[in-house]
Amino acid sequence: DVKVTQSSRYLVKRTGEKVFLECVQDMDHENMFWYRQDPGLGLRLIYFSYDVKMKEKGDIPEGYSVSREKKERFSLILESASTNQTSMYLCASSPGGNQGTAGELFFGEGSRLTVL
Amino acid sequence: AQSVTQPDIHITVSEGASLELRCNYSYGATPYLFWYVQSPGQGLQLLLKYFSGDTLVQGIKGFEAEFKRSQSSFNLRKPSVHWSDAAEYFCAVGPYNTNAGKSTFGDGTTLTVKP
Repeated sequence: DVKVTQSSRYLVKRTGEKVFLECVQDMDHENMFWYRQDPGLGLRLIYFSYDVKMKEKGDIPEGYSVSREKKERFSLILESASTNQTSMYLCASSPGGNQGTAGELFFGEGSRLTVL
Repeated sequence: AQSVTQPDIHITVSEGASLELRCNYSYGATPYLFWYVQSPGQGLQLLLKYFSGDTLVQGIKGFEAEFKRSQSSFNLRKPSVHWSDAAEYFCAVGPYNTNAGKSTFGDGTTLTVKP
């Protein structure tokens, strides 16, 4: 069964801490994405990557960075967490090219981060 | 720029009743269209997708959707709703360039099912 795994389902951090959210996919997908989801605001794209060591800013990249050293792993980094980064974070992957599932997103179960 | 509108923030239906969730999109070419479902505290799961061909597509859990180019719509339907269908539903337009693009999501519709 295809899978996107997010390392932590729930995290509680303090303001100013550095936070790492890890995401691993086992489908050999080219593209990986980080979204945050807040009530009333839908899904907002933070960053995405279409290849190893490549990254593109999404709609709300401020306060975040990402790392993709290996094809299967895409990490979201909060350099100095703030309370307004309390949210649900969703990782997703998708195949590229013209495969039958091109464009389809496969999501992890989410990481709920609380920053105190 | 592509955009997706889900006009209904919240819909309540009785168990066994039919369901239609609306989705309108703005896109410059024939779009890739998707419906995802999210149960509370979970990630999103694909219900169905439209790439080309038959405009009526069937998905999982008894859902179907119809692509209407003239109306720029991709509405989701189910003939008889079950209590387990209570969830949030997202319509999305896929990237033009599947190698490096990003999807655009609507804001979602929350479905409540009354017993």
